Amino acid sequence: NAGVMQNPRHLVRRRGQEARLRCSPMKGHSHVYWYRQLPEEGLKFMVYLQKENIIDESGMPKERFSAEFPKEGPSILRIQQVVRGDSAAYFCASSPALRPRSPYGYTFGSGTRLTVV
Amino acid sequence: GNSVTQMEGPVTLSEEAFLTINCTYTATGYPSLFWYVQYPGEGLQLLLKATKADDKGSNKGFEATYRKETTSFHLEKGSVQVSDSAVYFCALSDRGTGNQFYFGTGTSLTVIP
Repeated sequence: NAGVMQNPRHLVRRRGQEARLRCSPMKGHSHVYWYRQLPEEGLKFMVYLQKENIIDESGMPKERFSAEFPKEGPSILRIQQVVRGDSAAYFCASSPALRPRSPYGYTFGSGTRLTVV
Repeated sequence: GNSVTQMEGPVTLSEEAFLTINCTYTATGYPSLFWYVQYPGEGLQLLLKATKADDKGSNKGFEATYRKETTSFHLEKGSVQVSDSAVYFCALSDRGTGNQFYFGTGTSLTVIP
């Protein structure tokens, strides 16, 4: 009865490197959401994806950030050429297809803490 | 637009003390309101929710009432325990904006024996 699985739990990258964050949704969930929690701030919505589709990316920075949710495998949040300001906790949530836009079906993962040095 | 303003912490209380964490919101539509709790090193867990005005959400001794007239959703607990130490987030979700969540900045609570 695994929940939303995120890995790695902690990730350290040097400035200019790439960071890849993975999220496996709960069994039966086909909708994934990514949120970012900057230090001393609340979570901010980044992107909402279904399998092979980006539904809403209004919260994604315009450059260096991308997300995908392939037909097979986990959702990936990719940050290219990381900078110190990318240091944050990145949380993934998933929901079932039946009520994809209902907040009640959200389940959050434990997050990936990215540190850029 | 939508936003949530939350009482700043950190908050430190003695065991069995009364807890109030204030939360007010701004929304363009008819939001649902939530309190989430984050224990150290873990993800967010839904604590309670309310979907319309005057609804009261409750769970594990925590309560919050959706007050439309004051646009508030304050979290209360009559007698806190050490195990309640965590960060608490107030949040709203508005169907008009695709049901994404808007979170407050979080309030860190430490309960001392």
